[in-house]
Amino acid sequence: DAGVTQSPTHLIKTRGQQVTLRCSPKSGHDTVSWYQQALGQGPQFIFQYYEEEERQRGNFPDRFSGHQFPNYSSELNVNALWLGDSALYLCASSVYPGQGIDTQYFGPGTRLTVL
Amino acid sequence: KNEVEQSPQNLTAQEGEFITINCSYSVGISALHWLQQHPGGGIVSLFMLSSGKKKHGRLIATINIQEKHSSLHITASHPRDSAVYICAVRGAQKLVFGQGTRLTINP
Repeated sequence: DAGVTQSPTHLIKTRGQQVTLRCSPKSGHDTVSWYQQALGQGPQFIFQYYEEEERQRGNFPDRFSGHQFPNYSSELNVNALWLGDSALYLCASSVYPGQGIDTQYFGPGTRLTVL
Repeated sequence: KNEVEQSPQNLTAQEGEFITINCSYSVGISALHWLQQHPGGGIVSLFMLSSGKKKHGRLIATINIQEKHSSLHITASHPRDSAVYICAVRGAQKLVFGQGTRLTINP
């Protein structure tokens, strides 16, 4: 079992660009949650996907969007990048509703740097 | 003021020392979680608490609902315990994370 995988590991973009991050959930999991963790801070919840629909959303602007595919994998898209988007983006998978952190399995994250 | 505050933010100790990390919160909660994050980002859930105390190996977590406070203790600390420890609370509609405590255990 590969657990939760994320790609890419690291990414460097410039302001105004768009980025797509990818996540494959743990085998048997159908729900994917995305978090943003700025340096020295705890994770902030972005949104959760289940059955290819966004089920919950945190306090993030519409520049942040996502998608879930029939195989349960997910993408996080961020448009019009700005410096403040530089962070570690974490994906966590679970079995729906899987809202408890203890039921979520986290990936290693994608480190995004915006220059 | 953040809804979840952890202290200290950074902690360095010698191998074998008893470690305490504190978490205070200001919202009503249904559960509190302690997480461990190793370099590179991987997060592991250590404990979920709604009352009392839990123990797993050298780790002990306590919660005082009336005082809105939780502590994570590590006995006989070891360099492999070096990580960021994060407190997270689940309120009515959302999960709120503390900023984390960076723990370094020197041999």
